[in-house]
Amino acid sequence: DVKVTQSSRYLVKRTGEKVFLECVQDMDHENMFWYRQDPGLGLRLIYFSYDVKMKEKGDIPEGYSVSREKKERFSLILESASTNQTSMYLCASSLFRLAGGLGIYNTQYFGPGTRLTVL
Amino acid sequence: AQTVTQSQPEMSVQEAETVTLSCTYDTSESNYYLFWYKQPPSRQMILVIRQEAYKQQNATENRFSVNFQKAAKSFSLKISDSQLGDTAMYFCAFMSITGTASKLTFGTGTRLQVTL
Repeated sequence: DVKVTQSSRYLVKRTGEKVFLECVQDMDHENMFWYRQDPGLGLRLIYFSYDVKMKEKGDIPEGYSVSREKKERFSLILESASTNQTSMYLCASSLFRLAGGLGIYNTQYFGPGTRLTVL
Repeated sequence: AQTVTQSQPEMSVQEAETVTLSCTYDTSESNYYLFWYKQPPSRQMILVIRQEAYKQQNATENRFSVNFQKAAKSFSLKISDSQLGDTAMYFCAFMSITGTASKLTFGTGTRLQVTL
């Protein structure tokens, strides 16, 4: 079974703090993703990575950065946390990278989520 | 950009009954994938069912089936013989197959409550 783990289930931080959210997958997946989930808004993609040290912005990257130094680990960084970053953060991973426009099916597997509260 | 719409924020169904959750999407692409994910109160997002757009046959997984209408851009989920364990948030998602990775676009979700 694919396993995606996240470093914390609950996290409370203060405004202005630097926050690290860690995600680890054990299936040698190439793609990794960070989403935030807010009521009434569904899941929105923050950043994703399709290879080590490769990253692309998602739909809402402002205020976030990411790091992928090893294939199995993808970190989300809040450089200076703000109250509007209070949210549920979900990490996901998937196998294969799309190439040449050909459709290569793959499923995203999710971690349990981290509920971050910024005071 | 693709959009996914789930017009039913909340639904309720009695145990053993059948319920249908609706999902529509908007895209200019001809080939793509569609998913339904389930998020129980425990929060772990779980894949329920998936559909390739080039397949005309509707996907089925045990009590879960979809009604995929490509021309109408509709992808509804039918749950038969509902069980208490089906209580969860259900998200419809669209996967583009262009670009550097298999990104998902999610709808806003439907909260399903299964009652006795």
